[in-house]
Amino acid sequence: QSALTQPPSASGSPGQSVTISCTGTSSDVGYYNYVSWYQQHPGKAPKLIIYEVTKRPSGVPDRFSGSKSGNTASLTVSGLQPEDEADYYCLSYGRRDVFGTGTKVTVL
Amino acid sequence: EVQLVESGGGLIQPGGSLRLSCAASGFRFSSYWMDWVRQAPGKGLEWIASIKTDGSTEDYVDSVKGRLFISRDNSNDLLYLQMNSLRVDDTAVYYCARDIGYGAFDLWGQGTMVTVSS
Repeated sequence: QSALTQPPSASGSPGQSVTISCTGTSSDVGYYNYVSWYQQHPGKAPKLIIYEVTKRPSGVPDRFSGSKSGNTASLTVSGLQPEDEADYYCLSYGRRDVFGTGTKVTVL
Repeated sequence: EVQLVESGGGLIQPGGSLRLSCAASGFRFSSYWMDWVRQAPGKGLEWIASIKTDGSTEDYVDSVKGRLFISRDNSNDLLYLQMNSLRVDDTAVYYCARDIGYGAFDLWGQGTMVTVSS
């Protein structure tokens, strides 16, 4: 099963918003309401920031939000902060758990 | 403290075997599915295996089927990944992760590096 498609990069200035897309198929993103998002800083383990499309684990700021339309899920980071600079990966539940290709977010 | 700690990585020749361990603490290990996820140098994340709470069900990505085997010891809160017939493209950081369902991994270890090279 091929990886979900994400843009390789995204950027924004502090305080701005950035939205990352995650495109799959009607067999994964489009079929299940089970998309997760992970944040990974260099040299660190990934961290779950969104699950089941829109839910935030305890401790994750509400600046992070998720949504889905058709075969595409999205992660929005509002009010960008310097510590949001990281790689972000989506994951869709399906026949096999498939991660996205990853997006590097740069805070300008 | 709730944590996962991996060990067992290292340098291994192609065709060799290695066993990774993941020690869980601070939570009821036996109540959770557990997974292994890897990341090749400079690349993205790849889910590779999962195991049910009681060890009765396993699932693997096609690229590792028949070579990598996930198992668990609920008496000692340990997760394992037995890696056989290792290939150069198995070189990666290997993470264990706690699975809360439907592709959501809410707790990760720090990772252990496996380098397959002659």
